[in-house]
Amino acid sequence: KAGVTQTPRYLIKTRGQQVTLSCSPISGHRSVSWYQQTPGQGLQFLFEYFSETQRNKGNFPGRFSGRQFSNSRSEMNVSTLELGDSALYLCASSPMTGPQETQYFGPGTRLLVL
Amino acid sequence: GENVEQHPSTLSVQEGDSAVIKCTYSDSASNYFPWYKQELGKGPQLIIDIRSNVGEKKDQRIAVTLNKTAKHFSLHITETQPEDSAVYFCAASEAGGSYIPTFGRGTSLIVHP
Repeated sequence: KAGVTQTPRYLIKTRGQQVTLSCSPISGHRSVSWYQQTPGQGLQFLFEYFSETQRNKGNFPGRFSGRQFSNSRSEMNVSTLELGDSALYLCASSPMTGPQETQYFGPGTRLLVL
Repeated sequence: GENVEQHPSTLSVQEGDSAVIKCTYSDSASNYFPWYKQELGKGPQLIIDIRSNVGEKKDQRIAVTLNKTAKHFSLHITETQPEDSAVYFCAASEAGGSYIPTFGRGTSLIVHP
């Protein structure tokens, strides 16, 4: 089975721009979660989508948003980028059956904001 | 909210030695504790997890122990190999519909050949 894929892998943007990141979960997985990883704050939960609905949300400003499509693919969007948004953005998917907590991470998208 | 502390931040061992990484959590409602390994340029990979209804779980050279009373859990790696070198993260959460994990800050494990 193919793993979680994320595109693009690397991205450079400037302050004030917006960005959209994409995640394709493992086939059959319906839950997709997004995380931000930085050296200063570590791994932080952004939000989780299940069957096209946002089920959980972390403590991030409204500039961070996401959505999930009927095929379980997910996108996250960051508007009005700030320097502090530079980070590795990770997507993780969970299986349809079995414990939903078992998560499989993608390789991440490294975003640099200049 | 949940707070997870992880120690040490860096661990250097010789090949063949054992390595132990410890985490403490604050929320007594947490009942699911996964450990992840993250290699350079890759996403975290689940290596073992434990739920609060068991005290220990083993998978070959890796084991995790949980002490619910003291609110701490540990990762044990025996017979370490250079390919074990990576950053290891612990996490804690309340399993169920609202799964929002809190992660430790990570331990950089270096195994010297």
